[in-house]
Amino acid sequence: AQSVSQHNHHVILSEAASLELGCNYSYGGTVNLFWYVQYPGQHLQLLLKYFSGDPLVKGIKGFEAEFIKSKFSFNLRKPSVQWSDTAEYFCAVNGDNAGNMLTFGGGTRLMVKP
Amino acid sequence: DAGVIQSPRHEVTEMGQEVTLRCKLISGHNSLFWYRQTMMRGLELLIYFNNNVPIDDSGMPEDRFSAKMPNASFSTLKIQPSEPRDSAVYFCASSPGQGRGGNTEAFFGQGTRLTVV
Repeated sequence: AQSVSQHNHHVILSEAASLELGCNYSYGGTVNLFWYVQYPGQHLQLLLKYFSGDPLVKGIKGFEAEFIKSKFSFNLRKPSVQWSDTAEYFCAVNGDNAGNMLTFGGGTRLMVKP
Repeated sequence: DAGVIQSPRHEVTEMGQEVTLRCKLISGHNSLFWYRQTMMRGLELLIYFNNNVPIDDSGMPEDRFSAKMPNASFSTLKIQPSEPRDSAVYFCASSPGQGRGGNTEAFFGQGTRLTVV
């Protein structure tokens, strides 16, 4: 079975600070990995995804994530956050034997102080 | 394409009443997911369909919950009878569902905010 763990439940940063949100997954085979963002009162939207190839993936709004297979990790990063990045961030995994099922982590609430 | 469409956007109902939530998939997608989101429990997968067939319903809380896909583009989630603890935001998501290295990205609807009083 596949599972995802996000260790940071709440993160508070000041504007211009750098961001790194942790994501570790548990699955023995090939994986597709995703980061979704949920702005207050809205639905989940895709930030970026990894299927294969370059393990450093660039997404929208200056976000990037690095797939480190040996560590089963897919951490999300942004060099300089803005107040508008205040949201909840979800990491998700789809394993190659899991059909099309996505498993989400528990989410990380990010608050950026102006 | 208009994306995943859920209705209603908001529903307030009395305890004991039947509630039906509706979801229209993106055309051409063949995987459908129902999620529930609460402050206490976060985002929970309730049920997952592939090609109209329920694949995993282990997240459905109890027999009061049922989900169907009468056709390839439409799904319903029914709660009967509803209880106050069912109050949550219910999201539907669809995926192209190509699996195994293909595009398994899920596209979410706007959600239905359910309040049971």
